[in-house]
Amino acid sequence: DAGVIQSPRHEVTEMGQEVTLRCKPISGHNSLFWYRQTMMRGLELLIYFNNNVPIDDSGMPEDRFSAKMPNASFSTLKIQPSEPRDSAVYFCASSLLWPNTQYFGPGTRLTVL
Amino acid sequence: GIQVEQSPPDLILQEGANSTLRCNFSDSVNNLQWFHQNPWGQLINLFYIPSGTKQNGRLSATTVATERYSLLYISSSQTTDSGVYFCAVDLNQAGTALIFGKGTTLSVSS
Repeated sequence: DAGVIQSPRHEVTEMGQEVTLRCKPISGHNSLFWYRQTMMRGLELLIYFNNNVPIDDSGMPEDRFSAKMPNASFSTLKIQPSEPRDSAVYFCASSLLWPNTQYFGPGTRLTVL
Repeated sequence: GIQVEQSPPDLILQEGANSTLRCNFSDSVNNLQWFHQNPWGQLINLFYIPSGTKQNGRLSATTVATERYSLLYISSSQTTDSGVYFCAVDLNQAGTALIFGKGTTLSVSS
């Protein structure tokens, strides 16, 4: 059984560039989550979807961040324009609605120079 | 919002030792999970345990929901147990985001 798949695994970009992170959830899961991990703030939610519908995007830092889930098997997180303070590991996770055990992908390590 | 506190923040063990990690939370929860983040950064799901006790090999976990705490036991620790252990909770039954504690960093030496 394939787990949550994220791409790319590493991304190095320059300030001002657009960055797109991708996630494929576990087949059959109804919920998809985007988290960010930094040394200063730990693991924090950015946005989550239930049945492809965004439910809570209060964790999205600002308008430079956007996320979409066009279908049940794919989601993107876009940063435009990127800034050095966006450097972090971005995790995607998925779960059933119930029980909502969340399974995490390997993460994308983003470095913005 | 709900607060999740983990203790101790750091733990250093010799291989073969046992340990107990604690997670306190400030409100009633419907989901509690324990994760292990290995040195390569991968978050591995250890237990889904909103209440009761579960065991998986050398690891076991107990959640006492009425007293708002959970314990993770590691017995006969191995160097591969090193990493960060996170407790995470949510308040809602249906597909809600997790709130993470700051983690316990475990180092096991041979």
